[in-house]
Amino acid sequence: QQQVKQSPQSLIVQKGGISIINCAYENTAFDYFPWYQQFPGKGPALLIAIRPDVSEKKEGRFTISFNKSAKQFSLHIMDSQPGDSATYFCAALDSGGGADGLTFGKGTHLIIQP
Amino acid sequence: EPEVTQTPSHQVTQMGQEVILRCVPISNHLYFYWYRQILGQKVEFLVSFYNNEISEKSEIFDDQFSVERPDGSNFTLKIRSTKLEDSAMYFCASSDKRSNSPLHFGNGTRLTVT
Repeated sequence: QQQVKQSPQSLIVQKGGISIINCAYENTAFDYFPWYQQFPGKGPALLIAIRPDVSEKKEGRFTISFNKSAKQFSLHIMDSQPGDSATYFCAALDSGGGADGLTFGKGTHLIIQP
Repeated sequence: EPEVTQTPSHQVTQMGQEVILRCVPISNHLYFYWYRQILGQKVEFLVSFYNNEISEKSEIFDDQFSVERPDGSNFTLKIRSTKLEDSAMYFCASSDKRSNSPLHFGNGTRLTVT
């Protein structure tokens, strides 16, 4: 029940296209859903996060869509650029339950082809 | 921009040996975390630390692991008797608030147990 399932495992998108990465969860107590971006040799860096009281959050070219009833959330990268090539992790947290540790998905290796 | 620093970047040790991984969190942060990432797999929560004590630990964080904040700046993870399966990237993270605030990750220590 603590799992976060992420898909696809890898994704190739043409420059200028839309990259879409999906995550699903079972634990309805999760109340914080961040996305992290990781470049080779670096630690994960927070990209954008959402709480379940909104269905969408946009920051620049990055948008999170959240479907509470389906227990799914997704990351959309508009106008994808080669510099967006990285591994993306979704995560979830039951902060209301006092949890500290994020539960991460398995990651999506995104390649943007020029 | 302040960042979390981790040393060493790579540590090789023999099975059964003790290792200490070191981290310097961002100076005004109060919450500290260790995560690990086995090669090619997801990032996994190990432990959180606040006010000089563990606030949450995962099932992975068994008796062979310990954390310490020996002074005002360092945060360490000790593995008492390393096993082959402890080989992984270990990431330190810090935040200024609890749980659902952005985590700032270091670049990790790659631990190789032979």
